[in-house]
Amino acid sequence: GENVEQHPSTLSVQEGDSAVIKCTYSDSASNYFPWYKQELGKRPQLIIDIRSNVGEKKDQRIAVTLNKTAKHFSLHITETQPEDSAVYFCAASIWGRSGNTGKLIFGQGTTLQVKP
Amino acid sequence: GAGVSQSPSNKVTEKGKDVELRCDPISGHTALYWYRQRLGQGLEFLIYFQGNSAPDKSGLPSDRFSAERTGESVSTLTIQRTQQEDSAVYLCASSFKGASKQETQYFGPGTRLLVL
Repeated sequence: GENVEQHPSTLSVQEGDSAVIKCTYSDSASNYFPWYKQELGKRPQLIIDIRSNVGEKKDQRIAVTLNKTAKHFSLHITETQPEDSAVYFCAASIWGRSGNTGKLIFGQGTTLQVKP
Repeated sequence: GAGVSQSPSNKVTEKGKDVELRCDPISGHTALYWYRQRLGQGLEFLIYFQGNSAPDKSGLPSDRFSAERTGESVSTLTIQRTQQEDSAVYLCASSFKGASKQETQYFGPGTRLLVL
């Protein structure tokens, strides 16, 4: 079945620096890749997603890149702020094909700490 | 509008007891997913509902776990004869198939289960 690996497990940056989190997936049929942010004790919140027909997507300080050939995708956060501190999860799923449910296979998470 | 809700928010039980966890998806969302999140881990898929049927139960860890959904709305996850390894946060998510961005799953706040 699908497997998603996420690195690093922890990341500490200074406020204003950039942060990059990387994920690889095993199933080449995966075509939808969301990123979720989870603050302590809170529910996961979708922050950005990308589909396999797109190589890059940006939303203000957040961007995601996808390399289908290498089966990896990355989250980039620029100009980090203390409120970006949280656990970030990548996920992969197969969407829109007969018999596929769209279930999300998650990475293990990255704890991002932004120091003021 | 109202998001996904779950109850109870916390549940402490003794080993061997049965527990029921409830999920109220966003109104009109036909797809419903259950995930489990162990401490410091990523989310693991448990079961998927489309309407009231469950075409994918592949993530249920044992026959002690079962789930049902009625009225294309509320879902209940039941764990029988709980074990200490069942301790985790159980998260529910829903999505609206047939709409644009239908892949997006919205998560509830989770039920934190502790088995003593």
